[in-house]
Amino acid sequence: GAVVSQHPSWVICKSGTSVKIECRSLDFQATTMFWYRQFPKQSLMLMATSNEGSKATYEQGVEKDKFLINHASLTLSTLTVTSAHPEDSSFYICSARSDDGKSYEQYFGPGTRLTVT
Amino acid sequence: AQSVTQLDSQVPVFEEAPVELRCNYSSSVSVYLFWYVQYPNQGLQLLLKYLSGSTLVKGINGFEAEFNKSQTSFHLRKPSVHISDTAEYFCAARDTGRRALTFGSGTRLQVQP
Repeated sequence: GAVVSQHPSWVICKSGTSVKIECRSLDFQATTMFWYRQFPKQSLMLMATSNEGSKATYEQGVEKDKFLINHASLTLSTLTVTSAHPEDSSFYICSARSDDGKSYEQYFGPGTRLTVT
Repeated sequence: AQSVTQLDSQVPVFEEAPVELRCNYSSSVSVYLFWYVQYPNQGLQLLLKYLSGSTLVKGINGFEAEFNKSQTSFHLRKPSVHISDTAEYFCAARDTGRRALTFGSGTRLQVQP
């Protein structure tokens, strides 16, 4: 149980285009999901907290107009990188927290590697 | 948590030897503590967590960690490592009143034959 999927697992796009990454909780409902960014050989940096049915909460320094987050249902959050540039190339990981009220942990997706050329 | 510090960026160790990966945190409130493992190009897998109660926590794959409140530490240990334990290990903390995790910088465990 408690599986989180991400799609795509990797994507290459041209500079200036937009890319959408999906994060799904497969067997549980998640009012809250998180989006992280990880540079090579570095730790995970929280970008934003995605809230179902309301606006995402962005961390300081993260451009909300560039990284659009939509949490349209209790099992799906999407991250859209708009007008992508090479410096946006990174490993993006989402996580979800179960709504069952018992779990204190986050369940992580397998990540999406974005390469902007 | 305000910060999580992993003191070692890399830990080389021979197979079947014991290992300890160090983690310290700072927080003005109570925290939940976690250790995650990340294999190349994959997401994070939970090894173990401390929420409350016994300070010695046992996790998967033979790992354990001890919460030390006075030293604000949560070091990860394994008595005998395998080649397959080679991975990146992240310590993380969450203040009891917050939803988001704060991660340490990670420790690369390299198990050599």
